[in-house]
Amino acid sequence: KAGVTQTPRYLIKTRGQQVTLSCSPISGHRSVSWYQQTPGQGLQFLFEYFSETQRNKGNFPGRFSGRQFSNSRSEMNVSTLELGDSALYLCASSPGGGGSNEQFFGPGTRLTVL
Amino acid sequence: AQKITQTQPGMFVQEKEAVTLDCTYDTSDPSYGLFWYKQPSSGEMIFLIYQGSYDQQNATEGRYSLNFQKARKSANLVISASQLGDSAMYFCAMRENDNAGNMLTFGGGTRLMVKP
Repeated sequence: KAGVTQTPRYLIKTRGQQVTLSCSPISGHRSVSWYQQTPGQGLQFLFEYFSETQRNKGNFPGRFSGRQFSNSRSEMNVSTLELGDSALYLCASSPGGGGSNEQFFGPGTRLTVL
Repeated sequence: AQKITQTQPGMFVQEKEAVTLDCTYDTSDPSYGLFWYKQPSSGEMIFLIYQGSYDQQNATEGRYSLNFQKARKSANLVISASQLGDSAMYFCAMRENDNAGNMLTFGGGTRLMVKP
């Protein structure tokens, strides 16, 4: 079974631009969660999508948004990039439904904002 | 207050020895799950072990075991027979209200270094 895939793996943008990151979950998994990892703030939850609906949301500004498609693939968008958005963005895949002890992460997208 | 606390920023262990990584948590939710992940320098988060709040027995997965002490709100990870490849960051995480989604709260992590 293929693991969680994230594209692109590396990205360099400049302030003010916008960016879209993609996550394909493990086949059969319906829940996709997104996390931001920075040296200063650690790992922080952004949002979770299940069956194309946002189920949970972390404490991030509205510049951070996401969506999920019918095939469970998810995209995350950050508009008007700021220097502080430089981070490793990780997505996690889970079967969904109620909480599951299976939560598998992708390799991450490393975003650098100049 | 921190929901997940990992008090050891860095630790050394000799190859083939056992090591315990500490994790304490704070929740008033009776239903929660506790996770441990390993993050090598490549950045990928590797799932190690899971413990549900209602599980009577400590979870084990190969060389990994979770020492779950519910009354003390601790969920320490024990790695037996350390290997050089165990050198990595280790994160403890909690999911509250264990049936309401998959939002994880992470601790600050412990960097484990295995000495040959």
